[in-house]
Amino acid sequence: GAGVSQSPSNKVTEKGKDVELRCDPISGHTALYWYRQSLGQGLEFLIYFQGNSAPDKSGLPSDRFSAERTGGSVSTLTIQRTQQEDSAVYLCATEGRAGLYGYTFGSGTRLTVV
Amino acid sequence: AQRVTQPEKLLSVFKGAPVELKCNYSYSGSPELFWYVQYSRQRLQLLLRHISRESIKGFTADLNKGETSFHLKKPFAQEEDSAMYYCALAGAGSYQLTFGKGTKLSVIP
Repeated sequence: GAGVSQSPSNKVTEKGKDVELRCDPISGHTALYWYRQSLGQGLEFLIYFQGNSAPDKSGLPSDRFSAERTGGSVSTLTIQRTQQEDSAVYLCATEGRAGLYGYTFGSGTRLTVV
Repeated sequence: AQRVTQPEKLLSVFKGAPVELKCNYSYSGSPELFWYVQYSRQRLQLLLRHISRESIKGFTADLNKGETSFHLKKPFAQEEDSAMYYCALAGAGSYQLTFGKGTKLSVIP
């Protein structure tokens, strides 16, 4: 596609449920990043993919969070047993190769845990 | 640990006035610094990077290692500059960016 696509754009879930957030990168972009932005906060790094592998997952806040990337393309961020503090906008960004820092961002998924 | 501080949550200026968005960083090595911008109802996008020493949309930013700052400046603000601005830092050997909390710039007509 022409840009980075994220789905769903909005998700409301009950506390304790699992959620999956999806990111479709720009074709050919090998580097993919997940960030989250809580209300009034800056962007917080979660995980970085190079191809299908995740060399840096240091930002995942707990073992309830996991992510995978298949075929060097689509990535899924899964949050298990959601908590209210997980409410945030989850942003995906990609770039042709890591280290350029010219991220192309998706429009984000706004997650609300009630 | 690396940190980016943007001391102003909101900055309001009149059209035609100079703009300076402040950014200070904490990092022990030589960082790469960036400014990202998000206009209303648009996605976050890269505005400029210090290593390019470029001017984009009239904005410039100079890395001052002595003051550990990377302030964004424009001599004459335009209404279309109203947006959320984020300063970001990349540390050596790291592919992740550390972002500040952002400054909302409002240009008053």
